[in-house]
Amino acid sequence: QKEVEQNSGPLSVPEGAIASLNCTYSDRGSQSFFWYRQYSGKSPELIMFIYSNGDKEDGRFTAQLNKASQYVSLLIRDSQPSDSATYLCAVRGGGADGLTFGKGTHLIIQP
Amino acid sequence: DVKVTQSSRYLVKRTGEKVFLECVQDMDHENMFWYRQDPGLGLRLIYFSYDVKMKEKGDIPEGYSVSREKKERFSLILESASTNQTSMYLCASSQGQGGYGYTFGSGTRLTVV
Repeated sequence: QKEVEQNSGPLSVPEGAIASLNCTYSDRGSQSFFWYRQYSGKSPELIMFIYSNGDKEDGRFTAQLNKASQYVSLLIRDSQPSDSATYLCAVRGGGADGLTFGKGTHLIIQP
Repeated sequence: DVKVTQSSRYLVKRTGEKVFLECVQDMDHENMFWYRQDPGLGLRLIYFSYDVKMKEKGDIPEGYSVSREKKERFSLILESASTNQTSMYLCASSQGQGGYGYTFGSGTRLTVV
């Protein structure tokens, strides 16, 4: 059974600080890694994806991947209250069965 | 941008009713998925389809069926709705095997009374 693990939180971060969200996965054959943001009562929206080891930056967001440690993270710089949401980590394994989602981390940015 | 449209935002149905949830995508994606999302349980895959008239069971298919008669449309059917099927239902589509991620519809909040 492929698993994606996230700390459920809530993770509370002061406005303007860096929020760090973490995710581990069990399938060593995993190829693609995604971060979704989900506001309360809304559907998930894709904010970042990463395929290779290292860092990938997009505006205030940085995704980090370490395949040897089976670890993927999302950093949010200069956190804003509008970043308060649940962040879902999703992993595409080596097979043909699509994405496996973690249960999400609830992030709260305190003004 | 890919658009995935779910026909209803909120639905209230009675126990025992047959319920149809419709999902349409407009970007010619091969793959479509139905999830339900419940607090503390995350997203759980009900059914998915990689092609017209194809369907595959996900992790929790019991009590559900699906139909994909056209590439752009994927319907979820609750054969006889029960209160434990009260949930948020999310449809998603993707190009290929999900290597580019999924695009989700806005969701249907179903309440079975």
